[in-house]
Formats: sequence, C-alpha cells, structure tokens
Amino acid sequence: DQQVKQNSPSLSVQEGRISILNCDYTNSMFDYFLWYKKYPAEGPTFLISISSIKDKNEDGRFTVFLNKSAKHLSLHIVPSQPGDSAVYFCAASDHRDDKIIFGKGTRLHILP
Amino acid sequence: SQTIHQWPATLVQPVGSPLSLECTVEGTSNPNLYWYRQAAGRGLQLLFYSVGIGQISSEVPQNLSASRPQDRQFILSSKKLLLSDSGFYLCAWSRDRINSPLHFGNGTRLTVT
Repeated sequence: DQQVKQNSPSLSVQEGRISILNCDYTNSMFDYFLWYKKYPAEGPTFLISISSIKDKNEDGRFTVFLNKSAKHLSLHIVPSQPGDSAVYFCAASDHRDDKIIFGKGTRLHILP
Repeated sequence: SQTIHQWPATLVQPVGSPLSLECTVEGTSNPNLYWYRQAAGRGLQLLFYSVGIGQISSEVPQNLSASRPQDRQFILSSKKLLLSDSGFYLCAWSRDRINSPLHFGNGTRLTVT
C-alpha cells in the first residue's frame, strides 16, 4: 500500500516558467512533509519541508503548499532553471514515528 | 558541520555472495540512521532504521539485515545476495527530534550478477 503517491512520472517545463510537482498521501496521521531533489548516481538533497500546522512554506524559488483536507501537497519552482532538471521526491512522516516514507519520484525536465 | 560517509560507491557481486555496506556520520551524536534502496524504476524504499545503538527496525524483512555497533555507524549486510538485491542503496541520518529532515550519503550502486 503506497502511502505517498507521485502520479506523474515525468514533467517537462520551459526554462523561466513555473514548475509544479504534485504529491498525494493517504495516511491522515502524517504531519511533516518534505521535498527532495536527486541527480543520477547521487544521494537525494533536502529542498524544503512543511509541518501540518502550516499551509505554505517558501524558500527562495521553492514554495511548498499543503492542503490537508485533500491530503495533497505541491512544490512550486519559479522561475525554473536548467539546473532544476532532476528527480523530485515527496516524503512524509508521522511525528510519533521515526520513519520517513517517500513517493516514487517525478522526473523534471527543464527545456531551453 | 555534519557529514555522512558511505562506501563503496559501486559494487559488483555474484549471486550467493555476502554483502557489507558501511555508513558513518560525523559531527553529531545520537542520530537516527536509515537505509533506503532505490530499485530501477521505483522510488526510495525504506529498509531499516535505527534510533540508537543496537536498536534496529526492519521495514522489509528479506535476506538483508542491519546493525548499529556504534552510535554513528550503520551497516547493511546480507549472507547470500539475490539478483533482486541489485539497486542503489542510500544511507541517511536525521537529528533525534521531531520534524527533522533526512540527510543522505552519496549511495552505493550494487549490481548482483
């Protein structure tokens, strides 16, 4: 049973435009959400997180939005840059537990 | 600052051979430690995690095992590798407090032949 779902395996966006990556979760006890970026043959790099007491968190070009009623979160990257081409993973955890569960990832291609 | 070391970077092993992957963290004490695997075309699958020395929680009880002999050392092992064990293995750590992100090592590419 997949608790964190990223339904789009890939996404292509023109350089300079906004990239929107989506993530859904099924476990209503999740209260902390994270986004990671991964290049081939490297470990994932932490990008941004949000706790369930907020609905938005912003860090430079990256903004994460959380819709708890829909069990949905999204990562916005604006403006998109060539170096943003990578696989993006959504992850979630329950504060009572030390596990962090990841989705399958979305490959983002930034087009010139 | 904290750093995480994972080795080897790549490994090719025959079916039935043993496995030992090591991970160490520097610059922090009592971290939570994790082993994940990324198989081809799949996401990051949690294999094991540890909140302290000798404390191991298993998420995928197969022919893999993990041990934490020291506070900042985490080892992934197998007595006999299967073809299905091929993948990209990632060690990660987080601070021992709530809402703490994971920080990953650079991974080990394991190919079982």
